[in-house]
Amino acid sequence: AQRVTQPEKLLSVFKGAPVELKCNYSYSGSPELFWYVQYSRQRLQLLLRHISRESIKGFTADLNKGETSFHLKKPFAQEEDSAMYYCALSPKAAGNKLTFGGGTRVLVKP
Amino acid sequence: ETGVTQSPTHLIKTRGQQVTLRCSSQSGHNTVSWYQQALGQGPQFIFQYYREEENGRGNFPPRFSGLQFPNYSSELNVNALELDDSALYLCASSLAGGEETQYFGPGTRLLVL
Repeated sequence: AQRVTQPEKLLSVFKGAPVELKCNYSYSGSPELFWYVQYSRQRLQLLLRHISRESIKGFTADLNKGETSFHLKKPFAQEEDSAMYYCALSPKAAGNKLTFGGGTRVLVKP
Repeated sequence: ETGVTQSPTHLIKTRGQQVTLRCSSQSGHNTVSWYQQALGQGPQFIFQYYREEENGRGNFPPRFSGLQFPNYSSELNVNALELDDSALYLCASSLAGGEETQYFGPGTRLLVL
């Protein structure tokens, strides 16, 4: 069975400060990891996936298989980054049947 | 290109009743996944349909069932509703059996009294 843990329910940072959202997972096989974001009054949308190795909206995430982590980072938070963030895992080549973490709410203060 | 739509937006049922939720996939997408999101939690995978066949199921009882139609739209049916079924139900569509990016709908909020 797979599990995704996001230990922080709420992260509050000032504009321009770095932000890091923690994500730890447990899965015995080879996982694919994702970060999804939900802005206020919008639907859930993909932010990034580890296999694409892209930086989206200044966010990056590195898969650390040794620590089974996939933390999301941004060096300088912006007010528009305020949203709900979910880390998710899917077994590789299994059709993205996602297991989500509980989510972290990010509040960026001016 | 039309995005994923879901109907109804919200509804109220009583315990023991049955409910059908509907999802229209994004144009050209042949895969639909359903998720249940309880208040304050992340979405939980219910099942996935690919080309009208169930293509994987999460840890949900058989009273949760689904269908996918030839136009790739989908239904989620829940029988014998329980109070704990109160949640936001999300569907997501994608290409290629789910291997490509999933696009989520706005959800249907179900309240069971």
